[in-house]
Formats: sequence, C-alpha cells, structure tokens
Amino acid sequence: GAGVSQSPSNKVTEKGKDVELRCDPISGHTALYWYRQSLGQGLEFLIYFQGNSAPDKSGLPSDRFSAERTGGSVSTLTIQRTQQEDSAVYLCASSLNPQGAGQPQHFGDGTRLSIL
Amino acid sequence: EDQVTQSPEALRLQEGESSSLNCSYTVSGLRGLFWYRQDPGKGPEFLFTLYSAGEEKEKERLKATLTKKESFLHITAPKPEDSATYLCAVQAAEYGNKLVFGAGTILRVKS
Repeated sequence: GAGVSQSPSNKVTEKGKDVELRCDPISGHTALYWYRQSLGQGLEFLIYFQGNSAPDKSGLPSDRFSAERTGGSVSTLTIQRTQQEDSAVYLCASSLNPQGAGQPQHFGDGTRLSIL
Repeated sequence: EDQVTQSPEALRLQEGESSSLNCSYTVSGLRGLFWYRQDPGKGPEFLFTLYSAGEEKEKERLKATLTKKESFLHITAPKPEDSATYLCAVQAAEYGNKLVFGAGTILRVKS
C-alpha cells in the first residue's frame, strides 16, 4: 500500500496479558518511529529505528516494552504483562533517511489498545 | 517546561471566518517544524515542514509561517471540512530524530 499500515486497528485485552502491535512502513523509508497518544498526554515518542537498529529507545516507559524491526521493513512493538495505564493509541510513523534537515514523518492510523 | 506550546486549545469559527493558530517553541538547533492535521480515529496527516525563520508554505486555505520562536498556521475562509485537530511538532538537534509534539488545537468550523 501507499501509506503506513498498522494492525490490529483495535485490541482489547486483559491486564497481565502480552500484546504485539505491527507496523508496515512506506516502501523505501529507512526510518521508523513508534509514538503513543493518550488522553491528556498528547503524542509521546517511544522508539526510533534506522534500518534494523534502534539508536534511540529513550521513550520506552518500562522494560515491559520492547520493539524490533526485521528486514529494514516491518516492526513489532511488544508490551508484556499489560497494565491499565498502557491503554492508549499506538502510532507508527516512517520517513526517508532523517539525517540532515528534518524529513517529514508519515503516520499510520494507529492501534487503539484497551486494557481491561 | 513544555518545549512546544500550542494556542488556543480550541477554536470555533464560522464558515468563512479567517483565523490563526499559534505554535511556540523553546528548543535549540531546530531542524524542522512540522504541522499535522488529525481527524478523529485517524493518524496525523502531514501538512507542512518549515526549516528556517521567514519561511512560508501554502496549501489550499492553509498558510504556515515561521519565526525564531513560533509558527502560525493561518486558515483563510475556512470550511466545515477543515474541522480537525491541528498538531505542531519540532525536530531539534538536542532531541535527535524524534518529533516533540504540542498538545494541539481543536478547530471546529460551523456552516
């Protein structure tokens, strides 16, 4: 597809369960980002990938959160032992090589995660 | 201290009533200031990138401008379909490649 694709679009799970969120970036985009959007918190950065490496993981809120990217393309964000405060919309974005002047990041429509 | 502050939080306009949204920032080493539009249940949609003070970009009824401390998104003769949340974000040398977002301005245009 032409844009960033995320799945599932909605996920409801029980507290304590693990969840995996998937992101398929725009073809040819080497940079991939995960953000989280919660009511009252705005959009906050989680992690950045350049190729398969993650040079910036500074936004991951705890060690229950991890992410990987394979083949320089698809990325998976995993949340272990989910807590109610993990409920949010998880957004993925991709861009061309971000070195130098800022490249615009293009977002998917997100995964709405609800923890019961 | 917030690095990116947007005002107003919400704005209601009549169709055709022009106005401006503000985004002020306090970062060093600005690499780009970005405007996005977000509709309910959707991800942010990229509108503009501004790189240096004095730069202007236009798209249909929208015009974005940049100074050393703030950016304005001017909306000329808005239509109801312009109703959305408008987000401002900065990318700066001190933050690496991530975007730092403001809280957004919710715009409602009534016919």
